[in-house]
Amino acid sequence: AQSVTQLDSQVPVFEEAPVELRCNYSSSVSVYLFWYVQYPNQGLQLLLKYLSGSTLVKGINGFEAEFNKSQTSFHLRKPSVHLSDTAEYFCAVSPLMDTGRRALTFGSGTRLQVQP
Amino acid sequence: NAGVTQTPKFRVLKTGQSMTLLCAQDMNHEYMYWYRQDPGMGLRLIHYSVGEGTTAKGEVPDGYNVSRLKKQNFLLGLESAAPSQTSVYFCASSRTNYNEQFFGPGTRLTVL
Repeated sequence: AQSVTQLDSQVPVFEEAPVELRCNYSSSVSVYLFWYVQYPNQGLQLLLKYLSGSTLVKGINGFEAEFNKSQTSFHLRKPSVHLSDTAEYFCAVSPLMDTGRRALTFGSGTRLQVQP
Repeated sequence: NAGVTQTPKFRVLKTGQSMTLLCAQDMNHEYMYWYRQDPGMGLRLIHYSVGEGTTAKGEVPDGYNVSRLKKQNFLLGLESAAPSQTSVYFCASSRTNYNEQFFGPGTRLTVL
């Protein structure tokens, strides 16, 4: 079984400042890793994903994340945020192998609040 | 391409009433999922399907039933709604188990 911990429920940040949203996971098998973004009153949209290869993954809207296997982390970063980045961000994991359950396990979410 | 669509967008039920939520996808995906989203709890998997005619229980299946009679549709039913089922329900689909999931816009359900 997998679990995902997002260490911050809310992150306030000023416009044009850098931000890091933290995600740690636990799994007995190798996993794929994802970050999704949810804008107010909308569904979830994929921001980026790590399947294999380079541990630094670039996504849409200037976001990137780094997979750290030894620390079981997949933190999301952006060097300079905009007001439009205000949203809820979800980290998720999926097992590589068929464990009989084909679905993502989500963290509880981090609400990013960008202030002018 | 509409992607994943959900109907209805909003619904208010009284305790004990029944209803069906419809999810449709036009991407020919094999896998479909129903999640519920509650404040501070992220998304929790209710039921999922790995292909037409198949369904399986997720993390929180009690009080819900599902059917996948056609590949493009995945129905979520509440036979006797309870206030604890007040939530936002999201449907998603994916090509394989490790591909990204595509989400619908959600259904906001209130049970009084």
